[in-house]
Amino acid sequence: DAGVIQSPRHEVTEMGQEVTLRCKPISGHDYLFWYRQTMMRGLELLIYFNNNVPIDDSGMPEDRFSAKMPNASFSTLKIQPSEPRDSAVYFCASSDRGYSYTFGSGTRLTVV
Amino acid sequence: RKEVEQDPGPFNVPEGATVAFNCTYSNSASQSFFWYRQDCRKEPKLLMSVYSSGNEDGRFTAQLNRASQYISLLIRDSKLSDSATYLCVVNMFNQAGTALIFGKGTTLSVSS
Repeated sequence: DAGVIQSPRHEVTEMGQEVTLRCKPISGHDYLFWYRQTMMRGLELLIYFNNNVPIDDSGMPEDRFSAKMPNASFSTLKIQPSEPRDSAVYFCASSDRGYSYTFGSGTRLTVV
Repeated sequence: RKEVEQDPGPFNVPEGATVAFNCTYSNSASQSFFWYRQDCRKEPKLLMSVYSSGNEDGRFTAQLNRASQYISLLIRDSKLSDSATYLCVVNMFNQAGTALIFGKGTTLSVSS
């Protein structure tokens, strides 16, 4: 099993540009989570899906952030337009029925 | 008030020392509890689950006090390899789904 796969590993972009982060969950897992980690705020839950359906997006900071899960094997987190304060490590995680969470290696985003 | 609170540390201890981390959570509906470990620039990984009866895994002992909404982790005979950030985590279930909520973490540095 390849685990949760995130891409890209690193992203440097200019303020105002669109950023798309990608995640492939573990096959068979029915939950997918997007987290953001900063020194100041720690690991924050942004949004999660169950069987491809968004369940709770109350953690999404603002309308500039959107997430989709078009099928069981793929999810995206998009920021448009990006701002310097969006700089963080973004983690995707998947879970089988809410047990045994596995995290991807993360995407380190820098907005300049 | 943040849902899961931890002393950020850092805790600086010599090899062989015993160190304890504490954590409190605010939502009494929380149903499952964990300690995760996160190494520098890596993703969080499950260290151990926490049960009311207390549980032990080698040098690690976790304890839960539901009445006080308090979780602890004890590390005995600290090793250099224990240096990491330890994240206190609660899993909240509701009708819609389930998600892990993380504390900001406690940093441990073990020195020789």
